[in-house]
Amino acid sequence: DIQMTQSPSSLSASVGDRVTISCRASQGISNFLAWFQARPGKAPKSLIYAVSGLQSGVPSRFSGSGSGTDFTLTISDLQPEDFATYYCQQYNSYPLTFGGGTKVEIK
Amino acid sequence: QVQLVESGGGVVQPGRSLRVSCAASGFTFSSYEMHWVRQAPGKGLEWVADISYDGNNKDYADSVKGRFIISRDNSKDTVYLQMNRLRVEDAAVYYCARGQAARLGYYRGMDVWGQGTTVIVS
Repeated sequence: DIQMTQSPSSLSASVGDRVTISCRASQGISNFLAWFQARPGKAPKSLIYAVSGLQSGVPSRFSGSGSGTDFTLTISDLQPEDFATYYCQQYNSYPLTFGGGTKVEIK
Repeated sequence: QVQLVESGGGVVQPGRSLRVSCAASGFTFSSYEMHWVRQAPGKGLEWVADISYDGNNKDYADSVKGRFIISRDNSKDTVYLQMNRLRVEDAAVYYCARGQAARLGYYRGMDVWGQGTTVIVS
């Protein structure tokens, strides 16, 4: 199974900050990497597909980058509604696997 | 609009069975693969199973293989997850998510999610 490791597991930031979350795969996953946002009591929301593709309706302050085994989610100009937990996920091979999550908290 | 609505969750004793459903609307259901993903209390997301657009191909997480069965009825725009021999560790919010539609050239991962249905095993 492909293990997805996210770092950090949590971070504190202020509104307006630029935030970077890392995700490392235990083996190469080509560009089959997605990012999701999860907030308590709400359905997870897809942000990014295929490393850097922005889902419809997602603000452009969210961006993804990377290749091979190392990937990054960047949130520029952090907004109040962005305080949530973020997960990366590989869909290169079965079983599909998620990272452990990164909780973005208000400083 | 595109929507997924799960139902069927509840409280069930260990060892018993439960079936959860996910009704789709607003898109051509029969063209898309569908997934089930769960989130146990205080834990992260865990992929559970998926099914191809025509129901002919299914994959499962090792944690549920042999106990859970994913199926779909394209005439009802609904995907199901039959959960047998439930364990305490299966307690979670179960989400269905829309996957890719290769026949339509649509490759955006799990782009639409339902609100989830809660399964308590106790």
